[in-house]
Amino acid sequence: GENVEQHPSTLSVQEGDSAVIKCTYSDSASNYFPWYKQELGKGPQLIIDIRSNVGEKKDQRIAVTLNKTAKHFSLHITETQPEDSAVYFCAASQVGGGADGLTFGKGTHLIIQP
Amino acid sequence: DAGVIQSPRHEVTEMGQEVTLRCKPISGHNSLFWYRQTMMRGLELLIYFNNNVPIDDSGMPEDRFSAKMPNASFSTLKIQPSEPRDSAVYFCASTPPGGREQFFGPGTRLTVL
Repeated sequence: GENVEQHPSTLSVQEGDSAVIKCTYSDSASNYFPWYKQELGKGPQLIIDIRSNVGEKKDQRIAVTLNKTAKHFSLHITETQPEDSAVYFCAASQVGGGADGLTFGKGTHLIIQP
Repeated sequence: DAGVIQSPRHEVTEMGQEVTLRCKPISGHNSLFWYRQTMMRGLELLIYFNNNVPIDDSGMPEDRFSAKMPNASFSTLKIQPSEPRDSAVYFCASTPPGGREQFFGPGTRLTVL
């Protein structure tokens, strides 16, 4: 089955600086890579996703890159703000292949220092 | 619009008791997922349904766990008998036809004493 590794487990950055979280996956059949943000006491919420036929995607301050050959993908947050503090999860799945369930990384606790 | 609804939000029970967690997916969504979240193991997929049919239950930990989806608007996850190691937050998520984004509910925090 799929295995997703995520690093770092904790990341502390100064407000206004950039944050980068990295993930690797094992199953070359995975074709969908979402990123979720989870705030305390709430369920995960999708912030951005990327499909395997795209190398990069950007949405305002958030961007995701995918390297299929190396089987790794990264989340980039620029101009970080206090409300970016949360736990971020990467995930992988095979959408449409009978394996639509997400395999999650262990999460990164992002702390934005004022 | 209402999101995914889960009940109860908190459940405290004693070892050996039966526990039933409930989920109402977003109206019109046809795929439903159950996940479990613990500090040690993170977020794990337990089972998912497509059009009320279980597709992949390989994540269900043991025979003590069972899940049903009798209709498009309701699913249950049952643990019988419950054990302290089942203590976790259980999330339900749903997706629309042809969609990829999974919309998560607020979760049920289960504590088994």
